[in-house]
Amino acid sequence: DVKVTQSSRYLVKRTGEKVFLECVQDMDHENMFWYRQDPGLGLRLIYFSYDVKMKEKGDIPEGYSVSREKKERFSLILESASTNQTSMYLCASGKTPPSYEQYFGPGTRLTVT
Amino acid sequence: AQSVAQPEDQVNVAEGNPLTVKCTYSVSGNPYLFWYVQYPNRGLQFLLKYITGDNLVKGSYGFEAEFNKSQTSFHLKKPSALVSDSALYFCAVRDMDSSYKLIFGSGTRLLVRP
Repeated sequence: DVKVTQSSRYLVKRTGEKVFLECVQDMDHENMFWYRQDPGLGLRLIYFSYDVKMKEKGDIPEGYSVSREKKERFSLILESASTNQTSMYLCASGKTPPSYEQYFGPGTRLTVT
Repeated sequence: AQSVAQPEDQVNVAEGNPLTVKCTYSVSGNPYLFWYVQYPNRGLQFLLKYITGDNLVKGSYGFEAEFNKSQTSFHLKKPSALVSDSALYFCAVRDMDSSYKLIFGSGTRLLVRP
């Protein structure tokens, strides 16, 4: 089975802190994604990566950056956390086309106070 | 613009009755369509997908979905609902402008009462 793990299930940070969310997948997928999930808004793509050291902005990249130094690991960075970044963060990895299926981690619920 | 709509925030059904969770899409070209389920405090799990072929697609946990090109719909169905089916369901479509991305709907909460 595909396994995508995220470093924390719950995280509480203060405004202005630098926050790192880590994601690891064990299926050798080329593609990895970071989403945030908010009630009524579904999943919104923050960033994705289609290869090591390659990244592209998603729909809501402002206030976030990412790092992918190894194929299996994709990190989301909040440079200076703000209260409007309180959310559920989901990492996913995906197969190359034509499959397009994505496999999700359990999520990190981040609260910024 | 490409989009996916799930017109119902919540669907309520009694255990044993058939269930339908609605999804409509707007994309250019032939769509690739997906359904995912999210149980409480869990990530999303893949249920099924339509890429080509038979309009009725069968997936995990007894779910199926019917692709209707003329109505641009991809409704999720199950003949007999279980209480354990209560969860949040997301429809998604491949972003035709990208080789990698999916566009997700806002989600529909399914509540199956005993």
